[in-house]
Amino acid sequence: AQSVSQHNHHVILSEAASLELGCNYSYGGTVNLFWYVQYPGQHLQLLLKYFSGDPLVKGITGFEAEFIKSKFSFNLRKPSVQWSDTAEYFCAVNARLSNTGKLIFGQGTTLQVKP
Amino acid sequence: GAGVSQSPSNKVTEKGKDVELRCDPISGHTALYWYRQSLGQGLEFLIYFQGNSAPDKSGLPSDRFSAERTGGSVSTLTIQRTQQEDSAVYLCASSFHPGGELFFGEGSRLTVL
Repeated sequence: AQSVSQHNHHVILSEAASLELGCNYSYGGTVNLFWYVQYPGQHLQLLLKYFSGDPLVKGITGFEAEFIKSKFSFNLRKPSVQWSDTAEYFCAVNARLSNTGKLIFGQGTTLQVKP
Repeated sequence: GAGVSQSPSNKVTEKGKDVELRCDPISGHTALYWYRQSLGQGLEFLIYFQGNSAPDKSGLPSDRFSAERTGGSVSTLTIQRTQQEDSAVYLCASSFHPGGELFFGEGSRLTVL
């Protein structure tokens, strides 16, 4: 069965610090990978996604994620965090060849950025 | 509206009662998902509907949980004989196609006393 592991459950950073959140999945086939974010009081929304092509995907908010197939990882990074990045971050994977859209999420990482 | 709509937003019930949670997905989205979000547990997959195919029920935690999707649109998640451990936020999401971006509703917060 697919599973997703996020190693950091609670991260506290000061503004301008660099961020890396780990995400590993267990599935040997082709995958679609996602990072979702939930800001305080808001619903979950898509942050980044990887389907194919360049394994380094970049978002408009300065976040990026790198798919490393050999490590089954899709870590999220940001060079300089802001207070407004305080949120909960979820990694998710869909096993493309399973012929289902079932999306499995990790346990989430709470990021707290201190001003 | 343009987004995924869930009702009720909050539900408080007594142990042993049945509850129904409703989800109205984005029009035209063929895939619909139910997840459960508990503190420290992340998002737990419950059930997935895709078009007219048989739903993937592999995440339902017990036979007290069931869900249906009528006419390929609105879905209802039913929890029978609720228990305190059922207390959580139940999230519904829809996507245009399988494996695509999920659009989430605001969730239904269930509290079982």
